[in-house]
Amino acid sequence: AQTVTQSQPEMSVQEAETVTLSCTYDTSESNYYLFWYKQPPSRQMILVIRQEAYKQQNATENRFSVNFQKAAKSFSLKISDSQLGDTAMYFCASASGGSYIPTFGRGTSLIVHP
Amino acid sequence: KAGVTQTPRYLIKTRGQQVTLSCSPISGHRSVSWYQQTPGQGLQFLFEYFSETQRNKGNFPGRFSGRQFSNSRSEMNVSTLELGDSALYLCASSLGTGGATDTQYFGPGTRLTVL
Repeated sequence: AQTVTQSQPEMSVQEAETVTLSCTYDTSESNYYLFWYKQPPSRQMILVIRQEAYKQQNATENRFSVNFQKAAKSFSLKISDSQLGDTAMYFCASASGGSYIPTFGRGTSLIVHP
Repeated sequence: KAGVTQTPRYLIKTRGQQVTLSCSPISGHRSVSWYQQTPGQGLQFLFEYFSETQRNKGNFPGRFSGRQFSNSRSEMNVSTLELGDSALYLCASSLGTGGATDTQYFGPGTRLTVL
């Protein structure tokens, strides 16, 4: 079984600043993937970034990057140059390589202030 | 390409009734997954269908059921509604052939309120 823990229920950041959302996970799989999903107030959830566990290089998508610490089972999301449109619930998730079903954390609500 | 659509967007039912929710996946996607989202339990996986067959199932009672049609559209049904079934029901579609490398695309959800 996989578990995903997000210890920060809420966070806030000023526009243009950088914020880091934390996530820890536990899995017995050797082949697994980690994800960050964003769910804006409009409710349509979208994939922000995906990390393959066997890749040591941290994934990056524009202003979004991850810090993947495999030994510590930590997978944090860094948002640089925060924008008002980044205001959303962020979910960390994991899935074994052959699975189509991610296990989600409870989410972190991020508010970006002007 | 049109995104994932869900109908209806909002629904109000009373205890004991049944409800059917619909999800139309992105064209070409053969996998449809359903999730229940509540403030107390977060996002919980209900079931996944691929090519009209249930491929994965979460830990929900038999009151929750689903099906998928030959055009990949999917429906989920909840019978004998309980107050605790009030939730946002999300569906997600993907190609269904790449495991966790598939990107799941989510619909806007159906907000079900049980009175």
